[in-house]
Amino acid sequence: DGGITQSPKYLFRKEGQNVTLSCEQNLNHDAMYWYRQDPGQGLRLIYYSQIVNDFQKGDIAEGYSVSREKKESFPLTVTSAQKNPTAFYLCASSTLAGAREQFFGPGTRLTVL
Amino acid sequence: DQQVKQNSPSLSVQEGRISILNCDYTNSMFDYFLWYKKYPAEGPTFLISISSIKDKNEDGRFTVFLNKSAKHLSLHIVPSQPGDSAVYFCAASAERGGADGLTFGKGTHLIIQP
Repeated sequence: DGGITQSPKYLFRKEGQNVTLSCEQNLNHDAMYWYRQDPGQGLRLIYYSQIVNDFQKGDIAEGYSVSREKKESFPLTVTSAQKNPTAFYLCASSTLAGAREQFFGPGTRLTVL
Repeated sequence: DQQVKQNSPSLSVQEGRISILNCDYTNSMFDYFLWYKKYPAEGPTFLISISSIKDKNEDGRFTVFLNKSAKHLSLHIVPSQPGDSAVYFCAASAERGGADGLTFGKGTHLIIQP
């Protein structure tokens, strides 16, 4: 049963701490993405990766970091430099050729206390 | 500067009638458009897409229309069903030789009333 998993579903962090959000896919997709959603807002692109060991900044990359050591995994670290980290974080993946539909995971709700 | 705009935050439609969700874009480089459906605290689910070389794409109850000259697209759902109640996002992509992410609108909350 192919899909994208994100863990944990809910995450709480104290101000000033770094936290890493997990994203794994078994769809054999080359490209992976991280988006952030705030209330009343659309999804905004944080980082994306088209191939292992390579990634690009999206529209709101400041205060975030990523790695892509394996095709299946694309973890996102929310650093203490991110000024407003409380949000709903969504991971997605897609193929590189043909249609550009992105498939999304269930999301992680991060709350900074 | 919003490149993809959904100007109706919410829309209420009676069950069985047609739902029409609208989306406007400003970037003329966009050549592929998608609609996603999202329930609270879940990831978006892909619904339907359209390439800029077409003006219509249909899949069951869902039809997307694209008017390139007006930079406008719309999603028609007919007949509307209670399970269609969700937030619908319009998204766009520009051809840059690679998968570099989608640009989303802010979404329209569709409410289907019995």
